[in-house]
Amino acid sequence: DTGVSQDPRHKITKRGQNVTFRCDPISEHNRLYWYRQTLGQGPEFLTYFQNEAQLEKSRLLSDRFSAERPKGSFSTLEIQRTEQGDSAMYLCASSLEGGTVHGYTFGSGTRLTVV
Amino acid sequence: QKEVEQDPGPLSVPEGAIVSLNCTYSNSAFQYFMWYRQYSRKGPELLMYTYSSGNKEDGRFTAQVDKSSKYISLFIRDSQPSDSATYLCAMSDYGNQFYFGTGTSLTVIP
Repeated sequence: DTGVSQDPRHKITKRGQNVTFRCDPISEHNRLYWYRQTLGQGPEFLTYFQNEAQLEKSRLLSDRFSAERPKGSFSTLEIQRTEQGDSAMYLCASSLEGGTVHGYTFGSGTRLTVV
Repeated sequence: QKEVEQDPGPLSVPEGAIVSLNCTYSNSAFQYFMWYRQYSRKGPELLMYTYSSGNKEDGRFTAQVDKSSKYISLFIRDSQPSDSATYLCAMSDYGNQFYFGTGTSLTVIP
């Protein structure tokens, strides 16, 4: 296992379309996080899973956003009715217990462009 | 006011220089402090983490935390062109998310 994998690397979509991103964490990591990063800004927390349970959601995660981690392994992030303001890099990260103490491992991100 | 403030730079230094990168924060509950490096179009890569005031050294990198001043620093000694990247500070309380600075863009000129 070489790290956190995200797919696709880049997605261009028309406004109003739905998009889905996938994240495969490091296999032994039970915690999985989604962050969003816009140009010139640091990553902002969206949501966090411990195994298959979604334990925390940011208010940034509007009702157009939904995330799942059905079997406690990979996760998907879906954005419905995309808007131009959704254009950003979507980063997935994973960790063992204590991720906020020792840091977590990020994937390379999915860059979303809404036109 | 953002919880974490970081000068975005850009910062340009000659090879071999000592680089100082800094962040300030407002939330006294923050206990865990990290520095990440991010190359263009890549995800952040963890460089160092610490959870107490004082210094922590790892090779050419030294992380410094001053909780009384709510100020953290990353020093890079003998900077190399390969250090050219954006450096992000991040911090957390006892929760499950990090609060990131905006990042400082560093260029090391050969």
